[in-house]
Amino acid sequence: GENVEQHPSTLSVQEGDSAVIKCTYSDSASNYFPWYKQELGKRPQLIIDIRSNVGEKKDQRIAVTLNKTAKHFSLHITETQPEDSAVYFCAASRRTGTASKLTFGTGTRLQVTL
Amino acid sequence: DAGVIQSPRHEVTEMGQEVTLRCKPISGHNSLFWYRQTMMRGLELLIYFNNNVPIDDSGMPEDRFSAKMPNASFSTLKIQPSEPRDSAVYFCASTMNPLHEQYFGPGTRLTVT
Repeated sequence: GENVEQHPSTLSVQEGDSAVIKCTYSDSASNYFPWYKQELGKRPQLIIDIRSNVGEKKDQRIAVTLNKTAKHFSLHITETQPEDSAVYFCAASRRTGTASKLTFGTGTRLQVTL
Repeated sequence: DAGVIQSPRHEVTEMGQEVTLRCKPISGHNSLFWYRQTMMRGLELLIYFNNNVPIDDSGMPEDRFSAKMPNASFSTLKIQPSEPRDSAVYFCASTMNPLHEQYFGPGTRLTVT
């Protein structure tokens, strides 16, 4: 089955700096890579996703890059703000018939300090 | 739409008791997922359904865990008998299509003493 590794487990940046979180996956057939943000005590929520036919996607201060050859993808947050402090999860999935399941990384706790 | 609904939000029970967690997916979504989240093991997929049919239950830890989806708008996750190591937050999520956003419910925080 799919295995997703995520690094680092914790990340502390100063407000205004950039943050980068990296993930690798094992199943070369995976073709969907979402990123979820989970604030303390809350549910995970999708912040951005990318499909395998695209190498990069950007949404305001958030961008994701995908390298299918190397089987890794990264989340980039620019101009970080205190409200970006949360746990971020990467995930990978491939469609099997009419269903698919996500395999999540272990999470990165991002702390944005003033 | 109210989003994915889970009940109860908090459950405290004694070891050996039966626990039933409930989930109502978003209307029109045909896939439903049960996850367990702990500090030690992160976010684990327990089981998922497509069109009310269980597709993959390989994440269900033991026979003490069972899940059902009798119709498109309701699913249950049951633990019988419960043990302290089952203490975790259990999330239900749903989606309308494979390779699309999964919408998570608020979770049920289970504490087994």
